[in-house]
Amino acid sequence: QVTLKESGPALVKPAQTLTLTCTFSGFSLSTPGVGVSWMRHPPGKALEWLAHIRWDDAKVYTPSLRSRLTISKDTYRSEVVLTLALMTPEDTATYYCARMGPNKGLDPWGQGNPVTVS
Amino acid sequence: EIVLTQSPGTLSLSPGDRATLSCRASQSISPTSLFWYQQKPGQAPRLLIYSASSRATGIPDRFSGSGSGTDFTLTISRLEAEDSALYYCQQYGNSPPYTFGQGTKLEIK
Repeated sequence: QVTLKESGPALVKPAQTLTLTCTFSGFSLSTPGVGVSWMRHPPGKALEWLAHIRWDDAKVYTPSLRSRLTISKDTYRSEVVLTLALMTPEDTATYYCARMGPNKGLDPWGQGNPVTVS
Repeated sequence: EIVLTQSPGTLSLSPGDRATLSCRASQSISPTSLFWYQQKPGQAPRLLIYSASSRATGIPDRFSGSGSGTDFTLTISRLEAEDSALYYCQQYGNSPPYTFGQGTKLEIK
């Protein structure tokens, strides 16, 4: 069974850096075709895709946040870490990680980690 | 950036009805790059459809996807109360950002 779980702070001050960890089981990030993506869902707004890391350590970022985002993986610990620098209240959202399979669908998703910037 | 526009914003139907949800892209995308997700209150999104028309594992055949170019459709037949949710389309094209639509809220009366 594939599961993912996000962990990190619930409250961040403006200008701080947010660090979120996605801990997963049931698959390996060394398997070709597999990756992990991060998304966020601000209250009252649409889902936003943020970043993706592949089995071969290739990384893709959403252009609008590229200068503030960093994604990395620890294959042996089955973790993917996302950092978002220079947080503002506009970054308040529930942050999700999800596995991306060969069909590029995000499945499954973690339960989400709500983050408030204040 | 590819913008996905979903319509209608809210759909209110009765059990047993058929729901038709639309997702229109601002430019043509490959069908292999179009996905549909369902999100119920308090839950994470769940993958329903990948590659525009293929059902994800465990998704009942009441859910079907179709479309090409800029117009894609999610159809839910024989609606059940448990289908009440938000539905999002997403595109994963050749370059980021891999955008989501703003969602359609489906209410079962």
